[in-house]
Amino acid sequence: AQTVTQSQPEMSVQEAETVTLSCTYDTSESDYYLFWYKQPPSRQMILVIRQEAYKQQNATENRFSVNFQKAAKSFSLKISDSQLGDAAMYFCASNRDDKIIFGKGTRLHILP
Amino acid sequence: NAGVMQNPRHLVRRRGQEARLRCSPMKGHSHVYWYRQLPEEGLKFMVYLQKENIIDESGMPKERFSAEFPKEGPSILRIQQVVRGDSAAYFCASSQRTTNTGELFFGEGSRLTVL
Repeated sequence: AQTVTQSQPEMSVQEAETVTLSCTYDTSESDYYLFWYKQPPSRQMILVIRQEAYKQQNATENRFSVNFQKAAKSFSLKISDSQLGDAAMYFCASNRDDKIIFGKGTRLHILP
Repeated sequence: NAGVMQNPRHLVRRRGQEARLRCSPMKGHSHVYWYRQLPEEGLKFMVYLQKENIIDESGMPKERFSAEFPKEGPSILRIQQVVRGDSAAYFCASSQRTTNTGELFFGEGSRLTVL
């Protein structure tokens, strides 16, 4: 069965600093997508960044970037210049067949 | 361009009652997904529907739960004879096509509380 594992239930980072959230996954697919979703306190999930497995170049979206290590099945999210608005639950996810499978999430606290 | 609309946002039911949760996908989206989120847990896939068809219900409990996405109107997640363990946030998401390449657009969720 395909799984997505986030080993950090909670993390804290000082405002303006950089933080990295970890994620590992397990899949038997040769081609797949990986995602990071953000769930702010308002609870609506928002896609932060997406990585196509066949692309070697790490995806980047403004202050958000990923470190995709395909052989290690690792997909970490780096947030640079952390802002108060970044405080949220972050979910790593992967597609399997016709659906997206989520990890249990990492709660990120931003310290002013 | 309205996003994914879910209602009610909050629903309280007593054990044994029925809960109906509605989801209107984004305009132009014909794929709907339902997920359940327990406190401090990730989202658990329940069911994937296209108009008038259930494509994948592998995450749906075998009893008391059903879902539909009629030709006209919103998708409905129905829970019969609710129990306390059904208390959770239920999220609907929609997409234009299957999730293999596309992103999901989520609603704000419906929080069900069973007394």
